[in-house]
Amino acid sequence: KAGVTQTPRYLIKTRGQQVTLSCSPISGHRSVSWYQQTPGQGLQFLFEYFSETQRNKGNFPGRFSGRQFSNSRSEMNVSTLELGDSALYLCASSGSGADTQYFGPGTRLTVL
Amino acid sequence: ELKVEQNPLFLSMQEGKNYTIYCNYSTTSDRLYWYRQDPGKSLESLFVLLSNGAVKQEGRLMASLDTKARLSTLHITAAVHDLSATYFCAVGLSGYALNFGKGTSLLVTP
Repeated sequence: KAGVTQTPRYLIKTRGQQVTLSCSPISGHRSVSWYQQTPGQGLQFLFEYFSETQRNKGNFPGRFSGRQFSNSRSEMNVSTLELGDSALYLCASSGSGADTQYFGPGTRLTVL
Repeated sequence: ELKVEQNPLFLSMQEGKNYTIYCNYSTTSDRLYWYRQDPGKSLESLFVLLSNGAVKQEGRLMASLDTKARLSTLHITAAVHDLSATYFCAVGLSGYALNFGKGTSLLVTP
């Protein structure tokens, strides 16, 4: 079974630009969650999508948004990038029940 | 607000020794996860603990959960260098949202 895939793996943007990150979950998984990891703040929950609906949202500004498609693939978008948005963005997928979450390799975003 | 506290945050231990990492959380939850992260890598799932008294073991690692004390432990037995990594505990929120601890950076030395 293929794992969680994320594209692109690396991104360099400048302040004020916007960026879209993509996540393809494990086949059959309907839940996709996004996390931001930085050295200062650690791992922080961004949002979770289940069957195309946002089910949970973390404490991030409205510049961070996401969506999920009918094939469970998910995208997150960050508009008006700030230097502090530089981070590793991790996507995780989960199957039914209280399964563990399987994390993708991450997208490392650098904002200059 | 759910808080998850791990200690210690840094741990240097000799090969062959035993040690325990603690994870305390502030609000009732029915799910506790342990993950491992190697430098520059993503998170690898180690354990999922779903009930009070749950104990799971894999190799030299054993995790337990006490929901009444809101405490989980990750015990390392006879540490080896390959266990050097950062270990995170995470508490399940609503749905599959997780609240992570700061992580314990473990270094096992000869």
